[in-house]
Amino acid sequence: QQPVQSPQAVILREGEDAVINCSSSKALYSVHWYRQKHGEAPVFLMILLKGGEQKGHDKISASFNEKKQQSSLYLTASQLSYSGTYFCGTLRGGSQGNLIFGKGTKLSVKP
Amino acid sequence: DTAVSQTPKYLVTQMGNDKSIKCEQNLGHDTMYWYKQDSKKFLKIMFSYNNKELIINETVPNRFSPKSPDKAHLNLHINSLELGDSAVYFCASSQNGKETQYFGPGTRLLVL
Repeated sequence: QQPVQSPQAVILREGEDAVINCSSSKALYSVHWYRQKHGEAPVFLMILLKGGEQKGHDKISASFNEKKQQSSLYLTASQLSYSGTYFCGTLRGGSQGNLIFGKGTKLSVKP
Repeated sequence: DTAVSQTPKYLVTQMGNDKSIKCEQNLGHDTMYWYKQDSKKFLKIMFSYNNKELIINETVPNRFSPKSPDKAHLNLHINSLELGDSAVYFCASSQNGKETQYFGPGTRLLVL
């Protein structure tokens, strides 16, 4: 049931773009994206809901393909502050907050 | 100001001991969670509480027991600590169980 994230790690230069993917083998109600910096707690980035509703930040975009049970997080013109580990969490319909997180994608942005 | 707080931040203890971690949220949320993050950074849900009722109980050892005195608190009690319990434990809360989860700062548990 754990979603699969790809890539596992990515290294960027400032200003470059990145895409992080998350896929599930089960039908999903929503996909949640979090970023965690070293030694800190995960911080909410975005929720994508079945039906197209999207809640999140203006500087980060994402997509949710309900038919394929896939989501992608788009980071454009990356900044040093984007560095961290990105987790997707998937929520199946009917479950009560049972977020299942992927193993994470480690993003490093270098000057 | 802190939305979700946990105490203690660090916990170092011997095998076999019993310990508790406290969590409080001031967001007025109705659902609270405990997650374990191991050395490989895998975030795994352990428990969640909605309106003081346990609604998710993943396959964790029964040495772990969540206790919720009220809607704003969800404490984690661990009996007979083992080396494998060493990890970072995060508390989180959300509204209605499907919205954004807000995480506490984490408790770093080291069992010697």
